[in-house]
Amino acid sequence: GENVEQHPSTLSVQEGDSAVIKCTYSDSASNYFPWYKQELGKRPQLIIDIRSNVGEKKDQRIAVTLNKTAKHFSLHITETQPEDSAVYFCAAFNNAGNMLTFGGGTRLMVKP
Amino acid sequence: EAGVAQSPRYKIIEKRQSVAFWCNPISGHATLYWYQQILGQGPKLLIQFQNNGVVDDSQLPKDRFSAERLKGVDSTLKIQPAKLEDSAVYLCASSLIGFGTDTQYFGPGTRLTVL
Repeated sequence: GENVEQHPSTLSVQEGDSAVIKCTYSDSASNYFPWYKQELGKRPQLIIDIRSNVGEKKDQRIAVTLNKTAKHFSLHITETQPEDSAVYFCAAFNNAGNMLTFGGGTRLMVKP
Repeated sequence: EAGVAQSPRYKIIEKRQSVAFWCNPISGHATLYWYQQILGQGPKLLIQFQNNGVVDDSQLPKDRFSAERLKGVDSTLKIQPAKLEDSAVYLCASSLIGFGTDTQYFGPGTRLTVL
């Protein structure tokens, strides 16, 4: 089955700096890659996603890039703010397994 | 729109006891998922329903876990008997159609502590 690795497990940045979180996946058939943000004690919420026919997608301060050949995708947050502090999860989906597999999560801390 | 509802929010039980969790998905969503999220890890899918049928339960420990979605709307997940390693947050999610590119919306979760 699919295996998703996520790095780093913790990331501390200064307010205003950029943050990058990277994920790799094992199944080349995976075709959908969402990113979820989970604040402490709250539910995971979708923040951005990308499909395999697209290399990059942006939404204000958040962007995601996908390299299908290398089987990795990344989340980029620019001009970080304290409210960006949370755990971020990447995930990969493939039609064969009909299952969304999550990475282990990255705890992002933005210091004011 | 109203989100995914779950109850209870917290549950503390002793090992070997039984426990049940309830989930009500977003109205009109055909697909319902139960995930287990152990502290410090990503959610792991336990079971997926499409309407009232099971699509995938390959990661459900069937000797102690069971789930049903009898009328294709709300769902219950049961653990009997519970083990210490079942301590986790149990998340329910729903999606409109159920194909992978369909956004999954999560409920607030039930935090289970097994003593």
